[in-house]
Amino acid sequence: DSGVTQTPKHLITATGQRVTLRCSPRSGDLSVYWYQQSLDQGLQFLIQYYNGEERAKGNILERFSAQQFPDLHSELNLSSLELGDSALYFCASSVVGRGGTEAFFGQGTRLTVV
Amino acid sequence: EDQVTQSPEALRLQEGESSSLNCSYTVSGLRGLFWYRQDPGKGPEFLFTLYSAGEEKEKERLKATLTKKESFLHITAPKPEDSATYLCAVQPSGGYQKVTFGIGTKLQVIP
Repeated sequence: DSGVTQTPKHLITATGQRVTLRCSPRSGDLSVYWYQQSLDQGLQFLIQYYNGEERAKGNILERFSAQQFPDLHSELNLSSLELGDSALYFCASSVVGRGGTEAFFGQGTRLTVV
Repeated sequence: EDQVTQSPEALRLQEGESSSLNCSYTVSGLRGLFWYRQDPGKGPEFLFTLYSAGEEKEKERLKATLTKKESFLHITAPKPEDSATYLCAVQPSGGYQKVTFGIGTKLQVIP
C-alpha cells in the first residue's frame, strides 16, 4: 500500500458527460501529480500541484482541469468526455515539489467512456 | 522535447536467467532518472532514483546503472514474482519540470 488513495476505482460513463476523480496523497506529501495511461501507451503526465498551486503542466486537454485543496487532496475534472478518454488515471504524491525524488502512486481510476 | 525509449518491449526469461533492460533517454539536463515496477492494473511502484552518470543502486535481485545517455536495469537470477512491466522515467533539471515516462519493458519470468 503506497498510502495514496484514489476514488473511485472504476467509473463508466457516457460520451459528453463530466466526471471527477479524487486523490488523497500520502500523509505529509505536498506534491500531487496526475497521469493518464492508455492501453499500450506509457504514462502521460497531465499536471502537478504543490501545496495548492499548479507547478507543472503536461499534455492536459482543455476539457480537463485539476485543483489541490487546502487539505492537500486533489481532484481531476474531465468534461465533454470522448471515447478516447477511456484510460487509467493515476495520481501520485511526493514530499517535495521539484522532483528528483520518488513519487508514490495510487491504484488508479479506470475510466470507461461508452 | 524529452524522450525515453525502453528496450526490449517484452522479455521472456527462464527462472534464474539473468538479463538487462535498457532505457535510453534524451533530456536537457538530468535532475533524476527513475525506475518503477508496475503490475497489471496497479499503480507503478518506485524502485530507484539515479542522479548522475556512474551511479549504481541495488535492491534484492535488481541493480540499476546510469550513463549520460542510458540506464540499465540488471536482473540477476530472476524469479517468477519479478514478472511485471518495468518503467523508466526522466526528469529534467531546472525548476518544476514534468517527468517523462517510457512505455516500459514487460518482463515474464517462467518457472
